[in-house]
Amino acid sequence: AQKVTQAQTEISVVEKEDVTLDCVYETRDTTYYLFWYKQPPSGELVFLIRRNSFDEQNEISGRYSWNFQKSTSSFNFTITASQVVDSAVYFCALSEVNAGNMLTFGGGTRLMVKP
Amino acid sequence: GAGVSQSPRYKVAKRGQDVALRCDPISGHVSLFWYQQALGQGPEFLTYFQNEAQLDKSGLPSDRFFAERPEGSVSTLKIQRTQQEDSAVYLCASSSQTSRGYFGPGTRLTVT
Repeated sequence: AQKVTQAQTEISVVEKEDVTLDCVYETRDTTYYLFWYKQPPSGELVFLIRRNSFDEQNEISGRYSWNFQKSTSSFNFTITASQVVDSAVYFCALSEVNAGNMLTFGGGTRLMVKP
Repeated sequence: GAGVSQSPRYKVAKRGQDVALRCDPISGHVSLFWYQQALGQGPEFLTYFQNEAQLDKSGLPSDRFFAERPEGSVSTLKIQRTQQEDSAVYLCASSSQTSRGYFGPGTRLTVT
C-alpha cells in the first residue's frame, strides 16, 4: 500500500532564509504521481506541483524548487529566500494510477516564517 | 463557476443529527473524490466516483457515512447520527481523465 511520510511536523525560519521540506514515499507501483499542496490559514488546498514517476528532472518555479529522487523515494521541496506569506501547512501526496488516482497525503509540515 | 464548489462552508450539528454535504465538481470532470481532514492532520481518502459509479468506498469510516452521485455530476456526502469524532473538514476534488484533481474549499463540520 502507498504511504507518504513528512517527518518534519513544524519548521520555523526567519524571513529570507532557505528552507527544505522533506517528503518520503512508499509505493509498489511503477507509475505514480507526486504532488505538493499548500494550505494557508484560510484552509483551501493550493496546488503547487505534480510530477510523474518517469520524470526525475528537478523543477524550479520562482522561489520554489523540487528535488525528486527515485533511488531514495524522496520528493523534497525547497523555498528560497522565504517570505512571511509562505507561512502555511505544506502537504506532500502520492497517487497511483492503478488505484484510481486517489491521493494519499502525508501528515503535513507547518512552516512558520518570521519577519 | 470555474472551480469546485462545496456547500455549506460551515455546518454545526448536534450529536445524533444527520447532515448532508454537497459538492459541485468542475463541469465535465468524470472523477470525483471525497476526503476527510481532521484538525492538524492530512486529508484522508473517503470515496471515489467515476461518473455515477462509486468505484471505491474503502475509506468511509463507518456505515453512517454514505455518498452518492446519481447523475454523474453533483455529489452528496451524508453522515447519519453524527458523532463528535466526525468533526472535520470534508474536502471534495474532481478531475478529468488526464488532469490533476482540483479541490473545493471544503465544508467544516463541527459536531457538538
